Amino acid sequence: SQQGEEDPQALSIQEGENATMNCSYKTSINNLQWYRQNSGRGLVHLILIRSNEREKHSGRLRVTLDTSKKSSSLLITASRAADTASYFCATAPSGSARQLTFGSGTQLTVLP
Amino acid sequence: EAGVAQSPRYKIIEKRQSVAFWCNPISGHATLYWYQQILGQGPKLLIQFQNNGVVDDSQLPKDRFSAERLKGVDSTLKIQPAKLEDSAVYLCASSLTGLAGITDTQYFGPGTRLTVL
Repeated sequence: SQQGEEDPQALSIQEGENATMNCSYKTSINNLQWYRQNSGRGLVHLILIRSNEREKHSGRLRVTLDTSKKSSSLLITASRAADTASYFCATAPSGSARQLTFGSGTQLTVLP
Repeated sequence: EAGVAQSPRYKIIEKRQSVAFWCNPISGHATLYWYQQILGQGPKLLIQFQNNGVVDDSQLPKDRFSAERLKGVDSTLKIQPAKLEDSAVYLCASSLTGLAGITDTQYFGPGTRLTVL
């Protein structure tokens, strides 16, 4: 079963605009991670935010976490055509040896 | 540093045939994961190894899927016999420790795209 659900399922924007993707989850987590997947490729880790953190930045990426609402958002600023990919949130449950459960993903298309 | 290697990259078989996938994780990584990713969905964990022991195989269809990680290094995933619904990308990933309570980044291979006709 999928723990996280991303919203929207698909997003199309112009180059230079900001892209925001949201993730909701159901159970208590140790941390939440965002991964990116280019078409036909494996996933690449982008950023990790721990359950006691509220916001984290990495380059053009900004992630927020609201554990009271069990939700997270990923913001990509000043998007580029090369950002076109699928983005997945993945949750690491508290107190479990299982590492990650992935959501269903957001397909981002950045138009040049 | 070499990444996670997988082979083959593509495989087409007919239903009821058998198929095997191979994965070589990043050197020194204790934990190895096999995921199934159906088109349009996120990866679903099939099995997680810690060295050569199984940590989680609760979502592995054990009547047809099997996996092993001999000597705690590379791993094979087998499907026997295959069904149409097994068509998917099979991703292998590895992480340094994979221990409960320790946050690990997972590194993914390119995947094997399986088509069952």
